[in-house]
Amino acid sequence: GDSVTQMEGPVTLSEEAFLTINCTYTATGYPSLFWYVQYPGEGLQLLLKATKADDKGSNKGFEATYRKETTSFHLEKGSVQVSDSAVYFCALRASGSRLTFGEGTQLTVNP
Amino acid sequence: NAGVTQTPKFRVLKTGQSMTLLCAQDMNHEYMYWYRQDPGMGLRLIHYSVGEGTTAKGEVPDGYNVSRLKKQNFLLGLESAAPSQTSVYFCASRPAGSGATKRSYNEQFFGPGTRLTVL
Repeated sequence: GDSVTQMEGPVTLSEEAFLTINCTYTATGYPSLFWYVQYPGEGLQLLLKATKADDKGSNKGFEATYRKETTSFHLEKGSVQVSDSAVYFCALRASGSRLTFGEGTQLTVNP
Repeated sequence: NAGVTQTPKFRVLKTGQSMTLLCAQDMNHEYMYWYRQDPGMGLRLIHYSVGEGTTAKGEVPDGYNVSRLKKQNFLLGLESAAPSQTSVYFCASRPAGSGATKRSYNEQFFGPGTRLTVL
């Protein structure tokens, strides 16, 4: 079945550091890929998405590129801020409307 | 628009008690979903609905029932709560795609969550 694997957390960085959160997937066909963010005490919000191979999703300084050859969708940001502290979820949709989520990665950014 | 709202925000139950979680959306979305979030496991789909009067099982449906009598509401019921159902429950909704936009992704909008503890 479909699955998403994220790098284990938690991740702790200093402000302005470079961020990478790894995500790899297993799916049949050509899934769409997503990153969701969950700020403390809130529900999930869509951060960015990519619907086909080599697409790059970007939002709020975050980027992720859909790499079919490595089945990956790693999240990156060049300079993190304290306000980026949150839990980040990688997800895929292979068919229909259902999303499959990774386990989430807790990011803490210290001033 | 309030978006997706969930009631209640917190609840503590004793084993064997029953309760209903309410999800409401005011965006006229066709699809609605119930997920549970557990540490180290991400979100897992419990049940979902593709329209008023229809429901379907997700990844972890056992011990839960749902109803979608009105398009804007999606209820999640626990008939006899168990400690294994201690979790944070999230509801989500999204519009249906149609015609040329079917291949396009329609974002799921999430509610703020309900934290349930079963003792």
